[in-house]
Amino acid sequence: AQSVTQPDIHITVSEGASLELRCNYSYGATPYLFWYVQSPGQGLQLLLKYFSGDTLVQGIKGFEAEFKRSQSSFNLRKPSVHWSDAAEYFCAVGAPGGFKTIFGAGTRLFVKA
Amino acid sequence: EAGVTQSPTHLIKTRGQQATLRCSPISGHTSVYWYQQALGLGLQFLLWYDEGEERNRGNFPPRFSGRQFPNYSSELNVNALELEDSALYLCASSLEVRFFSNQPQHFGDGTRLSIL
Repeated sequence: AQSVTQPDIHITVSEGASLELRCNYSYGATPYLFWYVQSPGQGLQLLLKYFSGDTLVQGIKGFEAEFKRSQSSFNLRKPSVHWSDAAEYFCAVGAPGGFKTIFGAGTRLFVKA
Repeated sequence: EAGVTQSPTHLIKTRGQQATLRCSPISGHTSVYWYQQALGLGLQFLLWYDEGEERNRGNFPPRFSGRQFPNYSSELNVNALELEDSALYLCASSLEVRFFSNQPQHFGDGTRLSIL
């Protein structure tokens, strides 16, 4: 069965600084991987997804993520954080051919001026 | 394209009452998922409906139930409400997963259920 871990409950970065949010998954083969963002009082919005192919995936809002099979990781990055990026970020994993998507516990991002 | 819509936005109930939450998926999506997001507990999977049938269920008591209508909209019903049922309930939809496995789920903004 697949599982996903987000090791950081919360992270604080300065506006303009770079960001990396960690995500580790457990699955026997190459899974489908997703990153979602949730702003306060709203639902989850899909930032990007990885199904196959190029291991560096570009998403919306200037985010990217890199799939590293050897490390079972799918970390989310952004070169320069804006105050509006403050939100909760969820990594999710799905099994190809399967029907279930598992969400991580989330990482809360705080941005300081 | 209209996104996933949920109603009501907020719902206030007292212990022992029953609550009904509604969800309309994106046009063309046949799978609907329900999640509970309680404070500090992350996203807990509740139910998955596809083509009018319940396909999978999370670890919740039977007083959490739902259904999917022929137009693919869905209802979540919670009976005998308890204080710990206070949470944001999120609905998501996706393309039919039997043919498009693990398609991204698209979320509504949720219904905030408060139990007094």
